[in-house]
Amino acid sequence: DTAVSQTPKYLVTQMGNDKSIKCEQNLGHDTMYWYKQDSKKFLKIMFSYNNKELIINETVPNRFSPKSPDKAHLNLHINSLELGDSAVYFCASSQGTTSDQPQHFGDGTRLSIL
Amino acid sequence: GENVEQHPSTLSVQEGDSAVIKCTYSDSASNYFPWYKQELGKGPQLIIDIRSNVGEKKDQRIAVTLNKTAKHFSLHITETQPEDSAVYFCAATGGFKTIFGAGTRLFVKA
Repeated sequence: DTAVSQTPKYLVTQMGNDKSIKCEQNLGHDTMYWYKQDSKKFLKIMFSYNNKELIINETVPNRFSPKSPDKAHLNLHINSLELGDSAVYFCASSQGTTSDQPQHFGDGTRLSIL
Repeated sequence: GENVEQHPSTLSVQEGDSAVIKCTYSDSASNYFPWYKQELGKGPQLIIDIRSNVGEKKDQRIAVTLNKTAKHFSLHITETQPEDSAVYFCAATGGFKTIFGAGTRLFVKA
């Protein structure tokens, strides 16, 4: 009965390819996020959506395009993958429209670029 | 821009001892301060949080203190156990954005 689930768990691919990561939450939350965690464990916000509307778009290359078909899903598509994209990507969700609520994280997608 | 500094980056304690992790934040508009524990291969999980109108909060062996004037907040774990070994993140939130500290890797030696 996973609250925030993301697929796939592991993604190994070649430089230059395009890939997608999917995220779903069954908590009824209004806000969803994508974070990137690098090899030093640093967690950085990439995007935040509230009820399918983009509210945070940090300085992320436009090769990264989030899509929210409904408020329970937030997918991440990455074009023309580069070596520096190798990281663990976490999806999260929270109640309400601002960030002053606990965030529930998925278990991450480890992306490795060869 | 907004920043959250977290210290130490690594902390090793003997089982039964206490562990303290400290954070400072720069955005005076921050009003919510959660702490997350991340175990290997998992996503961060909330363990305790505190809001700006409270100075201290406790939940069994875990406590958090907040000094808004100094922009400091700290996590205290008492009677540490091997299963407390993990990476701990502090965070500060104001408005739409949550800024995370760089994490503290806690080792509890049996």
